[in-house]
Amino acid sequence: DQQVKQNSPSLSVQEGRISILNCDYTNSMFDYFLWYKKYPAEGPTFLISISSIKDKNEDGRFTVFLNKSAKHLSLHIVPSQPGDSAVYFCAASAGGSGYSTLTFGKGTMLLVSP
Amino acid sequence: DAMVIQNPRYQVTQFGKPVTLSCSQTLNHNVMYWYQQKSSQAPKLLFHYYDKDFNNEADTPDNFQSRRPNTSFCFLDIRSPGLGDAAMYLCATSRDISTDTQYFGPGTRLTVL
Repeated sequence: DQQVKQNSPSLSVQEGRISILNCDYTNSMFDYFLWYKKYPAEGPTFLISISSIKDKNEDGRFTVFLNKSAKHLSLHIVPSQPGDSAVYFCAASAGGSGYSTLTFGKGTMLLVSP
Repeated sequence: DAMVIQNPRYQVTQFGKPVTLSCSQTLNHNVMYWYQQKSSQAPKLLFHYYDKDFNNEADTPDNFQSRRPNTSFCFLDIRSPGLGDAAMYLCATSRDISTDTQYFGPGTRLTVL
C-alpha cells in the first residue's frame, strides 16, 4: 500500500520551459515533505523541502507547492536545464508526531532536452 | 570530501553465500539508515540506528541484519542471499530523526548469481 505516489514514471521537457513533477500522499499524519534528485550511479541528493505549515517554498529555480486538502505536492523547475535530467523522488515524514522516518515515492525520471 | 561512503560499489555473490555491505560517514550524524531499492521502485527502509538503538522495520526479512560498531560505521549483513535480494542498497545518515534531511551514499549494487 503506497502512501506516497508519483504517478508519472517519466516526463520530457524542453530546455528553458517549466518542469512540473507531481506527488500525492494518503497518510494525513505526514507533515514534512522533501524532494530528492538522483543521477545514475549516485545516491539521492536533497533538493528542497516543505513543512505542512507552509504552502510554498522556493529555492532558486526550484519551488515546491503543498496542497494539504488535496494531499498533493508539486515541484516546479523554472527554467529547466539539461543538467536537471535525473530521477526525482518525493518523500514524506510524520515528524510532528515525534519519531518518524521517510516514506519515498517511486520517482519520476525527468529528461530535459536542449 | 565524501560524506557518506559505501563499499563496495558493486558486489556479486552466489545464492546463499553471506555478504556484508559497508557504510561509513564523516558527518558525525546520530542516525544511519539502510534502504533497499529495486528497479523502478521506491527506496524501501530496512532498518535504522539512532545512535546505538536499532530499529527494524516490521516487514524486513530476518535474512537481513545490521551492525553499528561506532558512530561512523554501519554494516548490512545478508545471511543467505536469494535471487530476490538483488537490488541497490543505499545507506543514509541524518543528524536526527523526523524532519531532518537524510544524506545518501552512492549505493552498492548487489547481484546474486
